[in-house]
Amino acid sequence: DTGVSQNPRHKITKRGQNVTFRCDPISEHNRLYWYRQTLGQGPEFLTYFQNEAQLEKSRLLSDRFSAERPKGSFSTLEIQRTEQGDSAMYLCASSAGERGRSTERHFGDGTRLSIL
Amino acid sequence: TQLLEQSPQFLSIQEGENLTVYCNSSSVFSSLQWYRQEPGEGPVLLVTVVTGGEVKKLKRLTFQFGDARKDSSLHITAAQPGDTGLYLCAGARGSARQLTFGSGTQLTVLP
Repeated sequence: DTGVSQNPRHKITKRGQNVTFRCDPISEHNRLYWYRQTLGQGPEFLTYFQNEAQLEKSRLLSDRFSAERPKGSFSTLEIQRTEQGDSAMYLCASSAGERGRSTERHFGDGTRLSIL
Repeated sequence: TQLLEQSPQFLSIQEGENLTVYCNSSSVFSSLQWYRQEPGEGPVLLVTVVTGGEVKKLKRLTFQFGDARKDSSLHITAAQPGDTGLYLCAGARGSARQLTFGSGTQLTVLP
């Protein structure tokens, strides 16, 4: 299977702890996105990379959140000092990113974060 | 304020029935996508529509993009239990990376 892979699938942690999630995109895709989805809602955009450059961040992404894509391949999303409101599904998506065409996101199955 | 409004929020029907779900906005989109998401999984792209008035068919699913590119509909004919899932529309404005999702329609098809 060469789809988008996310690890771990589930993470349960106590409030105040730090967590890190990993996303491995489809190998030939240069664009990578992080989204957050809560129950009964659609995904909300968090941040976007083109290759290794982080080109856009949502206002939803507080200073406790940081994302990296150091070599333009896999990406990590870290949340520091977690709060109960951070409980959600964190989705990663990748796309080929052709100029002038709408890009179709390929999503991973997400990491479900539960804060106790 | 949700940029994309989807209706209905929940829909439960019997196998074999037809249904239509809607995605509406006051904003114009350069393209619109429909995804289906099952529990514990990520959304899976069904279709992309880019031209006002465009109609695309995918087996029993028919997607339409409004003439003004502000709204879209998804019609399912003879629904089957395998159609059960969360149907999400997502609109692109300006740069293709600006993709905004609606809150979804949760469809349940009962056998």
